[in-house]
Amino acid sequence: GAGVSQSPRYKVAKRGQDVALRCDPISGHVSLFWYQQALGQGPEFLTYFQNEAQLDKSGLPSDRFFAERPEGSVSTLKIQRTQQEDSAVYLCASSLAPYLTGTPVQYFGPGTRLTVT
Amino acid sequence: KQEVTQIPAALSVPEGENLVLNCSFTDSAIYNLQWFRQDPGKGLTSLLLIQSSQREQTSGRLNASLDKSSGRSTLYIAASQPGDSATYLCAVRGGANSKLTFGKGITLSVRP
Repeated sequence: GAGVSQSPRYKVAKRGQDVALRCDPISGHVSLFWYQQALGQGPEFLTYFQNEAQLDKSGLPSDRFFAERPEGSVSTLKIQRTQQEDSAVYLCASSLAPYLTGTPVQYFGPGTRLTVT
Repeated sequence: KQEVTQIPAALSVPEGENLVLNCSFTDSAIYNLQWFRQDPGKGLTSLLLIQSSQREQTSGRLNASLDKSSGRSTLYIAASQPGDSATYLCAVRGGANSKLTFGKGITLSVRP
């Protein structure tokens, strides 16, 4: 594919359900980021992967949030026991180079809009 | 903690007008600053990146300036077009090991 893809694009979950959001980064991109964007807000950093290593998870809001990238390509963000405050757009971005070596351009996916009812 | 502010939240201008979008940040010790564009239902697209040692960057009709000492950046859009309608976000990177901190964005509407 030409860009970062995310699935599903929309997800409605009942409070208490677990959800899994998928990100397919651009092939060959080393860095992968997850962001949470609440309505009317800017994106907030959640976590960062360099290949399969999760180097920064300081933005994950609680231990209900878990992210993985086991083979250094596709990543999954899992939210357990969803709450209404988890409702947001979850954005994934990837970049070619490691983040700590400079500021490689981040290419964003279209996001997954999660609504918790 | 770095805070990034963008005011106003929304702006409407007639086509052809030159305009300035403002961004302010509280901690002047930044690594770089980026301006992004976000279209409804889509992800972000990076427009311009200014390193901390730079004063401005230009791309086509866009010009971004950075004044670290005063904690401000502006995005200048020349001869605005309806296709420029989108939300513009400013993001600051505090250091080489630091994540991006975003403002809430300015939603721009350019009227034909």
